[in-house]
Amino acid sequence: AQSVAQPEDQVNVAEGNPLTVKCTYSVSGNPYLFWYVQYPNRGLQFLLKYITGDNLVKGSYGFEAEFNKSQTSFHLKKPSALVSDSALYFCAVRATNFKTIFGAGTRLFVKA
Amino acid sequence: EAQVTQNPRYLITVTGKKLTVTCSQNMNHEYMSWYRQDPGLGLRQIYYSMNVEVTDKGDVPEGYKVSRKEKRNFPLILESPSPNQTSLYFCASRWRGQGTEAFFGQGTRLTVV
Repeated sequence: AQSVAQPEDQVNVAEGNPLTVKCTYSVSGNPYLFWYVQYPNRGLQFLLKYITGDNLVKGSYGFEAEFNKSQTSFHLKKPSALVSDSALYFCAVRATNFKTIFGAGTRLFVKA
Repeated sequence: EAQVTQNPRYLITVTGKKLTVTCSQNMNHEYMSWYRQDPGLGLRQIYYSMNVEVTDKGDVPEGYKVSRKEKRNFPLILESPSPNQTSLYFCASRWRGQGTEAFFGQGTRLTVV
């Protein structure tokens, strides 16, 4: 069965420090992996995706993610966090054209 | 501006009173879907549509209906809402293709009392 796990409900980081939001997945076949961000009272916004090729994917707002096939992980990273990065982050996997599985979400809190 | 528009943004209703949440996209996307977001559960797919007149159930379709008569519109219908359908609902659209990202509406917060 397909699944996505975001093991941390919340991640706290100081402004200027690097951040990592973790995601692991389980899917048969080649996965298509996505990260979305949700700001308060807004819909989800696309950040980045992994389809194929280079394992390090760069996306919007300085975020990047590393695809690790052996560990079935797709962790979201940013070298230097901003207070404005505080939001709810969702990892998602698509193994067919019809269905996307979302993780439960990780709330990122960046302290000034 | 490319967007997915949902209405209403907020709705409080009573048990059993039929309601419709509208969704419209202006990007000519083939694929549209509805999700509900509940704390600790992430987003769960209710229904999806691959194109006009083509719809199918997602993971949690019970108590919901949809229709896709036009490419741009994908309304969500609750024929007889119940309190367990109190949730935050999102409509999304994307191009056909496994690697395409989705565009989301701003959400509809529904409370059924």
